[in-house]
Amino acid sequence: SQTIHQWPATLVQPVGSPLSLECTVEGTSNPNLYWYRQAAGRGLQLLFYSVGIGQISSEVPQNLSASRPQDRQFILSSKKLLLSDSGFYLCAWKRDRDHEQYFGPGTRLTVT
Amino acid sequence: KQEVTQIPAALSVPEGENLVLNCSFTDSAIYNLQWFRQDPGKGLTSLLLIQSSQREQTSGRLNASLDKSSGRSTLYIAASQPGDSATYLCAVSPSGYNFNKFYFGSGTKLNVKP
Repeated sequence: SQTIHQWPATLVQPVGSPLSLECTVEGTSNPNLYWYRQAAGRGLQLLFYSVGIGQISSEVPQNLSASRPQDRQFILSSKKLLLSDSGFYLCAWKRDRDHEQYFGPGTRLTVT
Repeated sequence: KQEVTQIPAALSVPEGENLVLNCSFTDSAIYNLQWFRQDPGKGLTSLLLIQSSQREQTSGRLNASLDKSSGRSTLYIAASQPGDSATYLCAVSPSGYNFNKFYFGSGTKLNVKP
Protein backbone atom coordinates (compact mmCIF):
# COMPACT_ATOMS: atom_id res chain seq x y z
CA SER A 1 0.00 0.00 0.00
CA GLN A 2 1.01 3.60 -0.48
CA THR A 3 1.78 6.05 2.30
CA ILE A 4 2.70 9.71 2.31
CA HIS A 5 4.77 11.38 4.99
CA GLN A 6 5.33 15.00 5.86
CA TRP A 7 7.70 16.54 8.35
CA PRO A 8 7.92 18.33 10.53
CA ALA A 9 4.36 18.18 11.84
CA THR A 10 4.60 21.65 13.36
CA LEU A 11 7.10 24.46 12.98
CA VAL A 12 7.50 27.90 14.49
CA GLN A 13 9.93 30.15 12.65
CA PRO A 14 10.83 33.85 12.91
CA VAL A 15 10.30 36.24 10.02
CA GLY A 16 13.27 36.21 7.66
CA SER A 17 14.39 32.68 8.52
CA PRO A 18 14.69 29.91 5.91
CA LEU A 19 12.21 27.08 5.48
CA SER A 20 12.39 23.49 4.34
CA LEU A 21 9.40 21.17 4.43
CA GLU A 22 9.69 17.62 3.20
CA CYS A 23 7.21 15.20 1.71
CA THR A 24 7.90 11.61 0.73
CA VAL A 25 5.68 8.95 -0.80
CA GLU A 26 6.18 5.22 -0.38
CA GLY A 27 4.79 2.30 -2.31
CA THR A 28 4.47 3.87 -5.74
CA SER A 29 6.68 5.18 -8.51
CA ASN A 30 6.58 8.31 -10.63
CA PRO A 31 3.74 9.94 -8.69
CA ASN A 32 2.41 13.39 -9.44
CA LEU A 33 3.21 15.48 -6.36
CA TYR A 34 1.54 18.61 -5.03
CA TRP A 35 2.09 21.30 -2.41
CA TYR A 36 -0.94 23.19 -1.07
CA ARG A 37 -1.33 25.88 1.57
CA GLN A 38 -4.45 26.26 3.67
CA ALA A 39 -4.95 29.51 5.56
CA ALA A 40 -7.15 29.44 8.66
CA GLY A 41 -10.76 28.73 7.69
CA ARG A 42 -9.94 28.77 4.00
CA GLY A 43 -9.74 26.30 1.17
CA LEU A 44 -6.57 24.88 -0.28
CA GLN A 45 -4.39 26.98 -2.53
CA LEU A 46 -2.28 25.04 -5.02
CA LEU A 47 1.34 26.21 -4.74
CA PHE A 48 3.37 23.76 -6.84
CA TYR A 49 2.93 20.50 -8.62
CA SER A 50 5.35 18.10 -10.25
CA VAL A 51 4.83 15.35 -12.81
CA GLY A 52 8.42 14.09 -12.63
CA ILE A 53 11.91 14.61 -11.25
CA GLY A 54 13.06 18.16 -11.85
CA GLN A 55 9.69 19.16 -13.35
CA ILE A 56 8.04 21.80 -11.19
CA SER A 57 5.06 23.97 -12.07
CA SER A 58 4.45 27.06 -9.96
CA GLU A 59 0.92 28.27 -9.49
CA VAL A 60 1.33 31.33 -7.30
CA PRO A 61 4.21 33.83 -7.49
CA GLN A 62 5.65 34.24 -4.02
CA ASN A 63 8.80 33.73 -1.99
CA LEU A 64 8.41 29.95 -1.90
CA SER A 65 10.07 27.39 -4.15
CA ALA A 66 9.79 23.66 -4.63
CA SER A 67 12.19 20.95 -5.68
CA ARG A 68 11.94 17.26 -6.50
CA PRO A 69 15.39 15.77 -6.05
CA GLN A 70 14.14 12.18 -6.11
CA ASP A 71 11.14 10.45 -7.65
CA ARG A 72 9.15 10.25 -4.42
CA GLN A 73 10.48 13.30 -2.58
CA PHE A 74 9.05 16.79 -2.79
CA ILE A 75 10.54 19.72 -0.87
CA LEU A 76 9.06 23.15 -0.20
CA SER A 77 11.54 25.89 0.60
CA SER A 78 11.93 29.55 1.31
CA LYS A 79 15.02 31.69 1.78
CA LYS A 80 13.24 34.27 3.93
CA LEU A 81 9.86 33.65 5.53
CA LEU A 82 7.15 36.30 5.70
CA LEU A 83 4.36 36.55 8.26
CA SER A 84 1.91 35.76 5.46
CA ASP A 85 3.58 32.38 4.95
CA SER A 86 1.91 31.07 8.10
CA GLY A 87 -0.57 28.30 7.40
CA PHE A 88 -1.17 24.60 7.08
CA TYR A 89 0.93 23.04 4.32
CA LEU A 90 -0.32 19.88 2.72
CA CYS A 91 1.44 17.55 0.34
CA ALA A 92 -0.53 15.27 -1.93
CA TRP A 93 0.13 12.67 -4.59
CA LYS A 94 -1.70 10.86 -7.33
CA ARG A 95 -0.80 8.25 -9.87
CA ASP A 96 -0.03 9.64 -13.29
CA ARG A 97 -3.15 9.47 -15.48
CA ASP A 98 -5.21 8.50 -12.46
CA HIS A 99 -7.87 10.73 -10.96
CA GLU A 100 -7.77 10.52 -7.20
CA GLN A 101 -5.51 12.60 -4.93
CA TYR A 102 -4.17 11.37 -1.59
CA PHE A 103 -3.03 13.77 1.10
CA GLY A 104 -0.37 13.76 3.78
CA PRO A 105 -0.98 14.74 7.41
CA GLY A 106 0.20 18.32 6.89
CA THR A 107 2.68 20.73 8.50
CA ARG A 108 1.46 23.60 10.66
CA LEU A 109 3.79 26.57 10.08
CA THR A 110 3.65 29.64 12.28
CA VAL A 111 5.84 32.57 11.33
CA THR A 112 6.41 34.95 14.25
CA LYS B 1 -9.25 30.49 -13.98
CA GLN B 2 -11.56 28.01 -12.31
CA GLU B 3 -13.36 29.32 -9.21
CA VAL B 4 -14.93 26.85 -6.78
CA THR B 5 -17.53 27.94 -4.23
CA GLN B 6 -19.09 25.97 -1.41
CA ILE B 7 -22.30 26.94 0.31
CA PRO B 8 -23.03 27.03 3.17
CA ALA B 9 -19.74 27.80 4.89
CA ALA B 10 -21.02 26.16 8.06
CA LEU B 11 -23.93 23.90 8.90
CA SER B 12 -25.24 22.55 12.19
CA VAL B 13 -27.82 19.77 12.21
CA PRO B 14 -29.25 17.32 14.74
CA GLU B 15 -28.19 13.70 14.57
CA GLY B 16 -30.19 11.59 12.12
CA GLU B 17 -30.98 14.37 9.70
CA ASN B 18 -30.31 14.04 5.97
CA LEU B 19 -28.32 16.93 4.54
CA VAL B 20 -26.94 18.33 1.31
CA LEU B 21 -23.68 20.19 0.78
CA ASN B 22 -23.23 22.27 -2.33
CA CYS B 23 -20.27 22.92 -4.59
CA SER B 24 -20.32 25.16 -7.66
CA PHE B 25 -17.63 25.85 -10.23
CA THR B 26 -17.35 28.52 -12.89
CA ASP B 27 -15.85 26.54 -15.78
CA SER B 28 -17.83 23.46 -16.80
CA ALA B 29 -14.88 21.99 -18.72
CA ILE B 30 -13.74 19.72 -15.92
CA TYR B 31 -11.88 16.43 -15.89
CA ASN B 32 -13.24 15.25 -12.56
CA LEU B 33 -14.60 16.41 -9.23
CA GLN B 34 -13.56 15.04 -5.86
CA TRP B 35 -15.12 15.39 -2.40
CA PHE B 36 -12.90 15.32 0.67
CA ARG B 37 -13.33 15.30 4.40
CA GLN B 38 -10.96 17.16 6.72
CA ASP B 39 -10.88 16.74 10.47
CA PRO B 40 -9.41 19.63 12.53
CA GLY B 41 -5.64 19.88 12.12
CA LYS B 42 -5.50 16.88 9.82
CA GLY B 43 -4.95 16.14 6.17
CA LEU B 44 -7.73 15.44 3.69
CA THR B 45 -9.45 12.10 3.23
CA SER B 46 -10.97 11.33 -0.13
CA LEU B 47 -14.67 10.48 0.01
CA LEU B 48 -15.90 10.28 -3.56
CA LEU B 49 -14.57 11.03 -7.01
CA ILE B 50 -16.81 11.69 -9.98
CA GLN B 51 -15.33 11.62 -13.45
CA SER B 52 -16.65 14.08 -16.00
CA SER B 53 -18.60 11.35 -17.80
CA GLN B 54 -20.43 10.29 -14.63
CA ARG B 55 -23.46 11.83 -12.96
CA GLU B 56 -23.13 10.39 -9.48
CA GLN B 57 -21.16 8.20 -7.12
CA THR B 58 -22.23 6.48 -3.93
CA SER B 59 -20.35 5.20 -0.92
CA GLY B 60 -22.32 4.02 2.09
CA ARG B 61 -24.39 6.93 3.38
CA LEU B 62 -22.77 9.36 0.96
CA ASN B 63 -23.98 10.21 -2.51
CA ALA B 64 -22.33 12.78 -4.75
CA SER B 65 -23.90 14.10 -7.91
CA LEU B 66 -22.45 16.12 -10.75
CA ASP B 67 -24.16 18.45 -13.21
CA LYS B 68 -21.40 19.75 -15.44
CA SER B 69 -23.60 21.95 -17.59
CA SER B 70 -24.77 23.97 -14.61
CA GLY B 71 -21.41 23.82 -12.84
CA ARG B 72 -22.73 22.16 -9.72
CA SER B 73 -22.15 19.18 -7.48
CA THR B 74 -23.91 18.09 -4.33
CA LEU B 75 -22.85 15.78 -1.53
CA TYR B 76 -25.78 14.09 0.14
CA ILE B 77 -25.25 12.62 3.61
CA ALA B 78 -28.01 10.33 4.85
CA ALA B 79 -28.84 9.78 8.50
CA SER B 80 -26.07 12.05 9.78
CA GLN B 81 -24.04 11.02 12.83
CA PRO B 82 -21.84 13.03 15.24
CA GLY B 83 -18.83 11.30 13.67
CA ASP B 84 -19.67 13.04 10.40
CA SER B 85 -18.68 16.37 11.98
CA ALA B 86 -15.81 17.73 9.91
CA THR B 87 -15.08 20.15 7.10
CA TYR B 88 -16.07 18.93 3.65
CA LEU B 89 -14.20 20.24 0.61
CA CYS B 90 -14.75 19.77 -3.08
CA ALA B 91 -12.07 20.05 -5.73
CA VAL B 92 -12.22 20.11 -9.51
CA SER B 93 -9.57 19.44 -12.08
CA PRO B 94 -9.90 21.11 -15.48
CA SER B 95 -10.06 19.21 -18.71
CA GLY B 96 -7.27 19.54 -21.23
CA TYR B 97 -3.55 19.75 -20.58
CA ASN B 98 -4.12 21.13 -17.06
CA PHE B 99 -5.96 18.04 -15.87
CA ASN B 100 -3.25 17.42 -13.24
CA LYS B 101 -4.25 20.61 -11.39
CA PHE B 102 -6.89 20.77 -8.69
CA TYR B 103 -8.91 23.78 -7.56
CA PHE B 104 -10.53 23.66 -4.14
CA GLY B 105 -13.51 25.33 -2.55
CA SER B 106 -13.20 26.81 0.91
CA GLY B 107 -15.25 24.03 2.46
CA THR B 108 -18.40 23.53 4.50
CA LYS B 109 -17.88 22.98 8.21
CA LEU B 110 -20.45 20.46 9.40
CA ASN B 111 -21.46 19.96 13.01
CA VAL B 112 -23.81 17.09 13.79
CA LYS B 113 -25.26 17.45 17.27
CA PRO B 114 -25.99 14.32 19.28
